[in-house]
Amino acid sequence: EVQVWESGGGLVQPGGSLRLSCAASGFRFSNYAMNWVRQAPGKGLEWVSGISDSGGTTYYADSVKGRFTISRDNSKNTLYLQMKSLRAEDTAVYYCAKADYNDLFDYWGQGTLVTVSP
Amino acid sequence: DIQMTQSPSSLSASVGDRVTITCRASQGIRNDLGWYQQKPGKAPKRLIYAASSLQSGVPSRFSGSGSGTEFTLTISSLQPEDFATYYCLQHYSNPRTFGQGTKVEIK
Repeated sequence: EVQVWESGGGLVQPGGSLRLSCAASGFRFSNYAMNWVRQAPGKGLEWVSGISDSGGTTYYADSVKGRFTISRDNSKNTLYLQMKSLRAEDTAVYYCAKADYNDLFDYWGQGTLVTVSP
Repeated sequence: DIQMTQSPSSLSASVGDRVTITCRASQGIRNDLGWYQQKPGKAPKRLIYAASSLQSGVPSRFSGSGSGTEFTLTISSLQPEDFATYYCLQHYSNPRTFGQGTKVEIK
């Protein structure tokens, strides 16, 4: 059974940093691209970042470029999102999403809440 | 960036109704589109991939159609468990972009 689950969310002050993790099981992690998607309270879904299966190619939304870094450790079946210079508008539930072979998201974690507040 | 314009933003319908939701892409995306259902406090669940292919385990009352710039999600006979918010997502290019969402409520 494919499973992905996020951890690392919490309360952080504006300007602070946080690292999210996404553990995976039930599939060959190193064969699939992975993504982060967020959802601000009461709002829609926003793609944040994606990474290729090898980790060699990364993509970012303009809203987080230069502040967030996506990475992965295929030996640990884990995806990461390092977030720096956090702003109030980064407050959201952050989801990890596995991509299928056509790069469309198929499996999602349950999300981890990041709150940026003084 | 490709903009995905989803309509309507909300609708009220009764059990048994036929419901249609539309997504329009700002440029052609072939059939690189998926549809997702999200219930409050839950992760999105994929319903449709490649614009018209039904995800395994999803009831056949859900269907998708379209190609290029115009796409539709149809629920042929709305059931109580279908009241949720629905999103389209294009994966033709980066950045990936979602539609704004359609909240389906009980009339």
